[in-house]
Amino acid sequence: ETGVTQSPTHLIKTRGQQVTLRCSSQSGHNTVSWYQQALGQGPQFIFQYYREEENGRGNFPPRFSGLQFPNYSSELNVNALELDDSALYLCASSQRISRDYGYTFGSGTRLTVV
Amino acid sequence: AQSVTQPDIHITVSEGASLELRCNYSYGATPYLFWYVQSPGQGLQLLLKYFSGDTLVQGIKGFEAEFKRSQSSFNLRKPSVHWSDAAEYFCAVGSYSGGGADGLTFGKGTHLIIQP
Repeated sequence: ETGVTQSPTHLIKTRGQQVTLRCSSQSGHNTVSWYQQALGQGPQFIFQYYREEENGRGNFPPRFSGLQFPNYSSELNVNALELDDSALYLCASSQRISRDYGYTFGSGTRLTVV
Repeated sequence: AQSVTQPDIHITVSEGASLELRCNYSYGATPYLFWYVQSPGQGLQLLLKYFSGDTLVQGIKGFEAEFKRSQSSFNLRKPSVHWSDAAEYFCAVGSYSGGGADGLTFGKGTHLIIQP
């Protein structure tokens, strides 16, 4: 079974620009969630997508948005980038309707905003 | 709102010694608890998880954790650490509603250093 893959692995953007990060979920998983991990911190939940709709959101502004596609892959879009958006962005997939759920994480995209 | 506290930012242990990493959570209902490990520049690997049943949970790489409801704790243990265990360890709490699982809330992590 394939794991979670994220692209690109590293990215440098300028303040004010927009960025799109991509995630392919693990085979058999139908839910994708995104996390932001600032340096030296634990991951923070951004939002989760199930059946192509946002299905839960953390404390992040609307300039953080996403998409989920019919093949369960997902995109995270961030508009009007700020310096504080520099972080490791982690994607995780899971099988939502399962009490024995667990999240499989990708290796992340390192975003640097200058 | 749910929260997770990992009181120890750094822990140093000699190779071969035992290990215990502390985790305290705050959650109104029965929590779903996880321990993840992260090597530098990498994603998160699941060590173990607890949903219900036996409060002592066995995981990968020889790790175990014990759920103690009365103490709101889910401490991670290993009887004998190896140099390869040096990494960042995260405790997380999740919830499961009728509609399915929700996002995880993570602690700030404990950095484990192994001394030769």
